[in-house]
Formats: sequence, C-alpha cells, structure tokens
Amino acid sequence: GQNIDQPTEMTATEGAIVQINCTYQTSGFNGLFWYQQHAGEAPTFLSYNVLDGLEEKGRFSSFLSRSKGYSYLLLKELQMKDSASYLCAAMDSNYQLIWGAGTKLIIKP
Amino acid sequence: GAVVSQHPSWVICKSGTSVKIECRSLDFQATTMFWYRQFPKQSLMLMATSNEGSKATYEQGVEKDKFLINHASLTLSTLTVTSAHPEDSSFYICSARDRESQPQHFGDGTRLSIL
Repeated sequence: GQNIDQPTEMTATEGAIVQINCTYQTSGFNGLFWYQQHAGEAPTFLSYNVLDGLEEKGRFSSFLSRSKGYSYLLLKELQMKDSASYLCAAMDSNYQLIWGAGTKLIIKP
Repeated sequence: GAVVSQHPSWVICKSGTSVKIECRSLDFQATTMFWYRQFPKQSLMLMATSNEGSKATYEQGVEKDKFLINHASLTLSTLTVTSAHPEDSSFYICSARDRESQPQHFGDGTRLSIL
C-alpha cells in the first residue's frame, strides 16, 4: 500500500533550526511536496523535490533521497510565526498526492 | 501567481439546506481541481478529483449524490453539499493545478456549520 510517515509533533526554540522528516512508500513516484498549514487555515505550498538533493528557499530547505524514500524539511532561524503543521505529500505514478498526517511544530520563545 | 479563490469563507445554515461552494483559479487554467474535507485537528481527507469537462472521481466512502461536483470550465469548480446535516459540518478546502506534475494550490477554505 501507499504510506507517508512523519512525526506527529515537534517542539523547537525561536532562533534555532529544526528538521522534519518524512518517509514515503508509493506506487511509482513523481515528486515530494511540503506544505505549511496554520491552524484554521488552508495549506500553502512550500517546496517540491523530484530529484535527489537539497533545494534551498530562504530559511526553508527541502531534501530528497529517492533510493531511501526519504525527505526532510529544514527550517532555520525559527520564528514564532513558523508554528504550524507541516504536511508531507508524495505524488504517485498516477499523479495523485498521498498525504501525510502532518507534523505540528511548536515554537517556544 | 497560482492564486485560487474559494467562496464563501463561512456558511452557517439549517439542517436540510443545500450549500454550494465555489473554487476559482484566478491566474491559471486548472485542468484538475481537488476537494478536501478536514475535521478539527485531523488530516486533510481527499473527497474527490475533478477534471474539466468530465465527471468527478470520488474517493471511497464519499457519497456522489450528497456531494455534487461540477467542473464546467478551466477556472471554476463547484461543490454542492445537498441536504446538509450537522455531521457535514467541517472545513472544506479546494485546490487546483494546471499540469499533473505541478503543485496543488489551495483556496482559503470554507467553514461549514450546519445547525
């Protein structure tokens, strides 16, 4: 079956760095997406990886290893506004997104 | 770019009412639109996928006759919750993409409360 695993909740300190891991198993693979969802709001797109390696976009970076079925989202210089859920989603061979349950990130001062 | 507009943001209505939610892609052509439902503190749940000009594909357990989806143009899809009941109260979110390998972009969601 198809499956996405990511931690349920993580806590980090303002100004620090946090890495949110995601492992996936899908029928075929057409890329890995990360979304941010603040409480009570819709998700917003953060990043897309289809090739192995690290993609950097400001304070956020996303990494992919296709051979390991593994991705992570790295957030640097954490700010209080980064408190949100981070959703990992893998695209299968039919271009369907398989969603993880999300990682709730709590930032403490 | 890639803006998706969803309307209305909030709906409060009586049990038995039918409610229509609109989802529009404002600056791109959405060949595929998706409808999700999310209960408090739970994951996104895909309800259906719609391609412009064809019938929607519903996920298992989602009633086609209750959740009517129309994707009549490349910029507009609608979800109608027919004869809504309190258990249909939820956060409904649409998303759209232009090509298969592209990210889905989400509307702001519709909070539906059935009294």
